[in-house]
Amino acid sequence: GAVVSQHPSRVICKSGTSVKIECRSLDFQATTMFWYRQFPKQSLMLMATSNEGSKATYEQGVEKDKFLINHASLTLSTLTVTSAHPEDSSFYICSAPGTGIFGQGTRLTVV
Amino acid sequence: QKEVEQNSGPLSVPEGAIASLNCTYSDRGSQSFFWYRQYSGKSPELIMFIYSNGDKEDGRFTAQLNKASQYVSLLIRDSQPSDSATYLCGRETSYDKVIFGPGTSLSVIP
Repeated sequence: GAVVSQHPSRVICKSGTSVKIECRSLDFQATTMFWYRQFPKQSLMLMATSNEGSKATYEQGVEKDKFLINHASLTLSTLTVTSAHPEDSSFYICSAPGTGIFGQGTRLTVV
Repeated sequence: QKEVEQNSGPLSVPEGAIASLNCTYSDRGSQSFFWYRQYSGKSPELIMFIYSNGDKEDGRFTAQLNKASQYVSLLIRDSQPSDSATYLCGRETSYDKVIFGPGTSLSVIP
């Protein structure tokens, strides 16, 4: 079946640095990808939709300059958290629209 | 008003019992609904989706949808300790986006 592969699964970074998270669709092509964020004991919140060949669409309240989303090819979408701060520590998960499938998630800890 | 509401729980049921998880939504135009299971520290796994009024069964799981009452439920028969997890209810919006409720924590007691 279809698989969405997300890396890294866990990352610790220093405050002020940037972190890139990759999400790849295996065995299928994805022209769009959803990016969610989940804080402890809270639900998934949709951050943005990456679009292959065009700009990402961000949900209300999500900082575009802080969360850079790129859809480089039909199988790769990336989320870069720029100038990370401790409050950005969260679980970031990608999902391929229409498949019900999520990536494995990335636990980001900013120290 | 939140778009998708669920009781946060925790809901505790004995092993072998039926667990009943409920979800209500505010947008009457919603068509498709999803139930996901999420273990602690892991990403959600799709259990099933439903878009027609009535019941949909898959193994030990039954989803029930009542669009008139704006209500979706998930029944888990013969609950097992391995079913202990958080269950997320989601509704599909435009462009396949899914909005999730806060989740219900289920604990199956051996």
